[in-house]
Amino acid sequence: EAGVTQSPTHLIKTRGQQATLRCSPISGHTSVYWYQQALGLGLQFLLWYDEGEERNRGNFPPRFSGRQFPNYSSELNVNALELEDSALYLCASSLDPDRENQPQHFGDGTRLSIL
Amino acid sequence: GDSVTQMEGPVTLSEEAFLTINCTYTATGYPSLFWYVQYPGEGLQLLLKATKADDKGSNKGFEATYRKETTSFHLEKGSVQVSDSAVYFCALLDPGANSKLTFGKGITLSVRP
Repeated sequence: EAGVTQSPTHLIKTRGQQATLRCSPISGHTSVYWYQQALGLGLQFLLWYDEGEERNRGNFPPRFSGRQFPNYSSELNVNALELEDSALYLCASSLDPDRENQPQHFGDGTRLSIL
Repeated sequence: GDSVTQMEGPVTLSEEAFLTINCTYTATGYPSLFWYVQYPGEGLQLLLKATKADDKGSNKGFEATYRKETTSFHLEKGSVQVSDSAVYFCALLDPGANSKLTFGKGITLSVRP
């Protein structure tokens, strides 16, 4: 079974540009989650999508946005990039979260570097 | 709010040593608890989980028991290997938190041959 796949592996941008990160969930998983792992800040929850809808959002500014497609894959868009957006962005997926205790399975991440 | 506290690191052990990594939590509901492992240059892998009090999660020789009375979920392994060198994260999923995983800060384990 293929795991969560993310692309690209690395992304280099400059301040003010826009970045798009992509995620394909495990087959059969309907929920996709995005987390930011920045140096010194640990893992922070960004967004949760389920069945095409945004269900929950972490404490991030509106320039962090995303969407989920009918095939359950997802994009994370970051506009007006700032230096502190440099981080590893991890995508995770799970089965229907309304079924209790579904673990989230993670991809290998996209390393976003802002110059 | 929910929080997870892990012991300070890093931890360095010799091969075949016993490992304990402490984790305590605060949650408003009755959370599920997880240990994730991150190998260098990779994402997070689910190591084990426990969903209710007194449950024991186990995988690859690692174990952790959900202790509601002490709000703890300590990770143990009887004999570590060099290949266990990684960063270990304790996490909780509170049913009332809209599927947001709350992570501890992680601890780096280095195992010497």
